[in-house]
Amino acid sequence: DQQVKQNSPSLSVQEGRISILNCDYTNSMFDYFLWYKKYPAEGPTFLISISSIKDKNEDGRFTVFLNKSAKHLSLHIVPSQPGDSAVYFCAANSGSGNTGKLIFGQGTTLQVKP
Amino acid sequence: EPEVTQTPSHQVTQMGQEVILRCVPISNHLYFYWYRQILGQKVEFLVSFYNNEISEKSEIFDDQFSVERPDGSNFTLKIRSTKLEDSAMYFCASSDKGYNYGYTFGSGTRLTVV
Repeated sequence: DQQVKQNSPSLSVQEGRISILNCDYTNSMFDYFLWYKKYPAEGPTFLISISSIKDKNEDGRFTVFLNKSAKHLSLHIVPSQPGDSAVYFCAANSGSGNTGKLIFGQGTTLQVKP
Repeated sequence: EPEVTQTPSHQVTQMGQEVILRCVPISNHLYFYWYRQILGQKVEFLVSFYNNEISEKSEIFDDQFSVERPDGSNFTLKIRSTKLEDSAMYFCASSDKGYNYGYTFGSGTRLTVV
């Protein structure tokens, strides 16, 4: 199932700089997109979401951009902090009604260096 | 902060045995989910549960799998006859408003089938 793809398995940035994590999708019927963060030995933690009717959503240091024509979204973290080092998953909703089925990308490991 | 609690954290079982993975969702949540992550692979949707019935299930969720909310607080996943390929991290999640607002995931149960 390659409906949601994160093509970069890893990303390394310096503390204080911007981190940009990318995600592509193939299903134009997706109408909601979410980003999760995961630390080792923990479950994914919800970060931020965006509806397909918007092109940007911001929450503190986290901003998600959606480009529907390109079927692409990105998560920007500014400024990056060492505590942001984790695996980041992009996810999209699928399924009829409010069944809650999410399709996840394979994740990008972010390392923020002090 | 409210948590989704999963027990046990690690379960080892022999092939062919039945296992029950237990979850205590956040108390006022109404939507419940199970996901799994095989080592090195994506987080995969198994099943969603609302109003005491399954809302949607994936093709992975075959007759060997079942879910139950036996007492209004626990939410269980049963695998009747485990196979080697069932070895994975199993995550329970819950939500009060539906998936668009993000789930709260538990820390997972690592199931090892030998």
